[in-house]
Amino acid sequence: DGGITQSPKYLFRKEGQNVTLSCEQNLNHDAMYWYRQDPGQGLRLIYYSQIVNDFQKGDIAEGYSVSREKKESFPLTVTSAQKNPTAFYLCASISHDRANVLTFGAGSRLTVL
Amino acid sequence: DAKTTQPTSMDCAEGRAANLPCNHSTISGNEYVYWYRQIHSQGPQYIIHGLKNNETNEMASLIITEDRKSSTLILPHATLRDTAVYYCIDLANTGNQFYFGTGTSLTVIP
Repeated sequence: DGGITQSPKYLFRKEGQNVTLSCEQNLNHDAMYWYRQDPGQGLRLIYYSQIVNDFQKGDIAEGYSVSREKKESFPLTVTSAQKNPTAFYLCASISHDRANVLTFGAGSRLTVL
Repeated sequence: DAKTTQPTSMDCAEGRAANLPCNHSTISGNEYVYWYRQIHSQGPQYIIHGLKNNETNEMASLIITEDRKSSTLILPHATLRDTAVYYCIDLANTGNQFYFGTGTSLTVIP
């Protein structure tokens, strides 16, 4: 079945360590997105990528980095510069052929100890 | 920042219609209205979208006012599994930044 796979689902890290969250899609979608969600809050856009080898900052990009070397993959690195990294991270993709409907992964929950 | 406003929470009796409002005060002519929902600790799920006309699919109906400044998502016969946070967003068909507000937390009561 086509979809978006995020891994790991749960991740624990010590403060000061960089962490990379994986996002893979087999939907042949063009654009991919990373959102952060804090308890009781909506989704905030971190980074997005419209095409391979190109990406743009969202509202809260500080302390995060991304790459888009392949169409299927859009990993997110949470760096030690991110002051409060504990959150639920959601990856999404979109095909502009399908009326801009976002498809989301199941999410990755990062806890920094 | 999110461009839409929604009530923070709503309750609905099981089996009744749930009507969830959304204000799109800054919507422009080429922007579509989209609705998603998020069940606790899962990724949001697409429900429905529309531009001007009312829309219906197997999940819900979408009513958009003539001036397009507000929309209503209707779940015709709410079930306990419809308990979730519902988000409305508006986006141009050439747009690339999707802004989600805090949504409406719908609780379906037995």
